[in-house]
Amino acid sequence: KAGVTQTPRYLIKTRGQQVTLSCSPISGHRSVSWYQQTPGQGLQFLFEYFSETQRNKGNFPGRFSGRQFSNSRSEMNVSTLELGDSALYLCASSPGSGRSETQYFGPGTRLLVL
Amino acid sequence: DQQVKQNSPSLSVQEGRISILNCDYTNSMFDYFLWYKKYPAEGPTFLISISSIKDKNEDGRFTVFLNKSAKHLSLHIVPSQPGDSAVYFCAADTGRRALTFGSGTRLQVQP
Repeated sequence: KAGVTQTPRYLIKTRGQQVTLSCSPISGHRSVSWYQQTPGQGLQFLFEYFSETQRNKGNFPGRFSGRQFSNSRSEMNVSTLELGDSALYLCASSPGSGRSETQYFGPGTRLLVL
Repeated sequence: DQQVKQNSPSLSVQEGRISILNCDYTNSMFDYFLWYKKYPAEGPTFLISISSIKDKNEDGRFTVFLNKSAKHLSLHIVPSQPGDSAVYFCAADTGRRALTFGSGTRLQVQP
């Protein structure tokens, strides 16, 4: 089975711009979660989507949003970029229907905001 | 407030010996715990998990122990190999698929 894929792998933007990141889950997985990794805050949960609906949300401002399509692929959008948004953005997928499920991560998108 | 803590930022072990990585948590609602291995600029790779109804889970060289009363879990790697050198994260879930991660422990296995 193919793993979780994320595109693009690297991105450079300037302050004030917006960015869209894409994630394709493992085939058959219907839950996609997004995480941000920074040196200062570590790995932090952004949000989780299942069946095209946001089920859970972390403590991030409204500039961070996402969506999920009928094929379970997900996109994450960050508007009005700030320098502090520079981070590794990771998505993870799991089947989505059970309680205790292992999340499998993609390789991440490295975003640099100048 | 850090709900998941890995108090040792780094650990150095000789090849062939046991590596023990520790993790403490404060939220009693966590009921599923996972260990991931990570290299810089890559996504975490799943290693092993344990449900709160168990106190031990083994998979090859990796064993995870859970002590619910102490809110403590540990990952044992036996025998340690140079390829195990990486940063190890413990993570915890309340069933919401919103993992809370520790800050990581860098393991160095010396040949």
